[in-house]
Amino acid sequence: EAQVTQNPRYLITVTGKKLTVTCSQNMNHEYMSWYRQDPGLGLRQIYYSMNVEVTDKGDVPEGYKVSRKEKRNFPLILESPSPNQTSLYFCASSSQETQYFGPGTRLLVL
Amino acid sequence: RKEVEQDPGPFNVPEGATVAFNCTYSNSASQSFFWYRQDCRKEPKLLMSVYSSGNEDGRFTAQLNRASQYISLLIRDSKLSDSATYLCVVNLGYGGFKTIFGAGTRLFVKA
Repeated sequence: EAQVTQNPRYLITVTGKKLTVTCSQNMNHEYMSWYRQDPGLGLRQIYYSMNVEVTDKGDVPEGYKVSRKEKRNFPLILESPSPNQTSLYFCASSSQETQYFGPGTRLLVL
Repeated sequence: RKEVEQDPGPFNVPEGATVAFNCTYSNSASQSFFWYRQDCRKEPKLLMSVYSSGNEDGRFTAQLNRASQYISLLIRDSKLSDSATYLCVVNLGYGGFKTIFGAGTRLFVKA
């Protein structure tokens, strides 16, 4: 089954404790992206990647890091999470312009 | 000004009604345009792409006006299952797939 998976789906953490949210796709897509969704603001792009070892900033990259060492994986790293990073996070992949989203990760930073 | 603007709604309509959503974008260099649907607490899913020539898929019709930088979605004969948030999406296209989402328009279809 073609899909985008994210882990964990839910996470409660404390300020400053490094965390990684994994994203994996099995569709051999070149393009992958991370978004956060907040009430009233919609989805905002954090980072995107055009291919292995090629990443670029989206609209809200501050406080986040990404890596693309393999085509199928695109982890999102929060080196020192803060409460303003509490949000719903979506990973997406696409081969052309249609994006397929993962189920989302709900993060609460205390 | 937001790069992609939508009426947040909510739109409350009876079953069978026709409802229209509007969206405007600010960057004239935008390359491609979409409507996505998002159910509560779920991931967005592509509803349809939007072209200047218009695009129809069953009860759904999307239209793009590049001169006015305006995108529309028309839903005819609304069903209860159409209740969701509809997201207007624009790809800027330069240097990669930089994507901007509107904040979404909430639709409630009632029996």
